[in-house]
Amino acid sequence: GAVVSQHPSWVICKSGTSVKIECRSLDFQATTMFWYRQFPKQSLMLMATSNEGSKATYEQGVEKDKFLINHASLTLSTLTVTSAHPEDSSFYICSASVWAGSTDTQYFGPGTRLTVL
Amino acid sequence: QKEVEQDPGPLSVPEGAIVSLNCTYSNSAFQYFMWYRQYSRKGPELLMYTYSSGNKEDGRFTAQVDKSSKYISLFIRDSQPSDSATYLCAGGDYGQNFVFGPGTRLSVLP
Repeated sequence: GAVVSQHPSWVICKSGTSVKIECRSLDFQATTMFWYRQFPKQSLMLMATSNEGSKATYEQGVEKDKFLINHASLTLSTLTVTSAHPEDSSFYICSASVWAGSTDTQYFGPGTRLTVL
Repeated sequence: QKEVEQDPGPLSVPEGAIVSLNCTYSNSAFQYFMWYRQYSRKGPELLMYTYSSGNKEDGRFTAQVDKSSKYISLFIRDSQPSDSATYLCAGGDYGQNFVFGPGTRLSVLP
C-alpha cells in the first residue's frame, strides 16, 4: 500500500518551454503533497507544500511563478516548470503524506528527471 | 549549523559487515525520525520511521534515537551488495515538518 507515482519519469525539453509533472497517490488520499528538488550528490530540497484546494506554500528562494503547483484533488498534485532553462535541469521528487493513527508518514514518488536543452 | 548533519561518505564495507550510519541534529523540537534509502536515479524509499528515543528493529535494520544527545543511527547487519545506496536521515517536529540530512553513500563490496 501507500504507492505514489510520478509522470513522466523523465523528460527532455527545449529552453523556454513549460513542463508539467504529475504526482499521484494511487491507493490512498494524501493529506498533503510535497515537491522536492534534488541536485547531484545533494539531499532533497523542499520546494513547496500543497494541500488540496488551497494555494501551495513555497519555501524561501523558490519562485512561485516559475514553479506552478496545482493540487486539484486528494490524490493528484502537479508541478509545472514554466519557461524552463538549463539551470532547471534536475531530479524532481514528490511525496504524499497520510495520517495513520497519530503519525503522519511521507511516501515518496519515484522522481522525474528533467533535462532542459 | 545545518539542522541535520550526516557524513556524506562514501563509506565502503565488505559484504557481511555491520554498517553503522549516523546523523546529528540540532532542533530539539524533532520528535520523529526517518531513514530513507535512495538508489541512484530513484526516489528515496522509507526504511525506518521512529518516534522519540529508543530502538526499532526491522529485519536486518535497527534504528536508534538518542534525543538527549540529538543523535540517530541506523545499523545494517549482514550487509549485502544490494544495500549499496545513499541513506538519508530526517528529523521532524510535531507539525511533521521534516528536514533531511545530505545523505551518506554506502558501498558494500562483494
